[in-house]
Amino acid sequence: KQEVTQIPAALSVPEGENLVLNCSFTDSAIYNLQWFRQDPGKGLTSLLLIQSSQREQTSGRLNASLDKSSGRSTLYIAASQPGDSATYLCAASRAAGNKLTFGGGTRVLVKP
Amino acid sequence: KAGVTQTPRYLIKTRGQQVTLSCSPISGHRSVSWYQQTPGQGLQFLFEYFSETQRNKGNFPGRFSGRQFSNSRSEMNVSTLELGDSALYLCASKDRGAIEEKLFFGSGTQLSVL
Repeated sequence: KQEVTQIPAALSVPEGENLVLNCSFTDSAIYNLQWFRQDPGKGLTSLLLIQSSQREQTSGRLNASLDKSSGRSTLYIAASQPGDSATYLCAASRAAGNKLTFGGGTRVLVKP
Repeated sequence: KAGVTQTPRYLIKTRGQQVTLSCSPISGHRSVSWYQQTPGQGLQFLFEYFSETQRNKGNFPGRFSGRQFSNSRSEMNVSTLELGDSALYLCASKDRGAIEEKLFFGSGTQLSVL
């Protein structure tokens, strides 16, 4: 059974600092791994999706890496801004068409 | 393209009642999944429908059911509501045939059971 963990549960950084968010999964047999952003009381916004055959994906200030052998993915957000304050969740899918298993999320606060 | 639309946005019910939530996927997406989000359990998968058939099911009691219509719109029903059913219910759609299978979420329905 896949288990996805995100540590820490919360972190606070000053504006301009780079953010590093961690995601660990127990079963390396994943199809893809996705990173989402969630604002309070809202739905999830897809940020990046990494296929199992890929090592990383980039979009603007965001970069996500995937290391299946160690069961880890990392989301980097460069030059953080107050607007980046949100909860970030990672989720792994075991196979095409399969459900997503979510981590508990990391709540991020970027202080001006 | 319009995003995933969920209605209603908020619901207040009492124990023992039943509730129906609605989800309209992104145009062209035939896969609709439902997730429950609570502070204690996080996001948990309920079920997925594709082409009007349930394809995957999570570990929820039979009080939780769903269906999908020919236009891909989906409904989720919870019968005999319990206090613990209070949660944000999220619907997501995807293009199941696409290689990436990126999931797109709606804004959710916040259900409060009193």
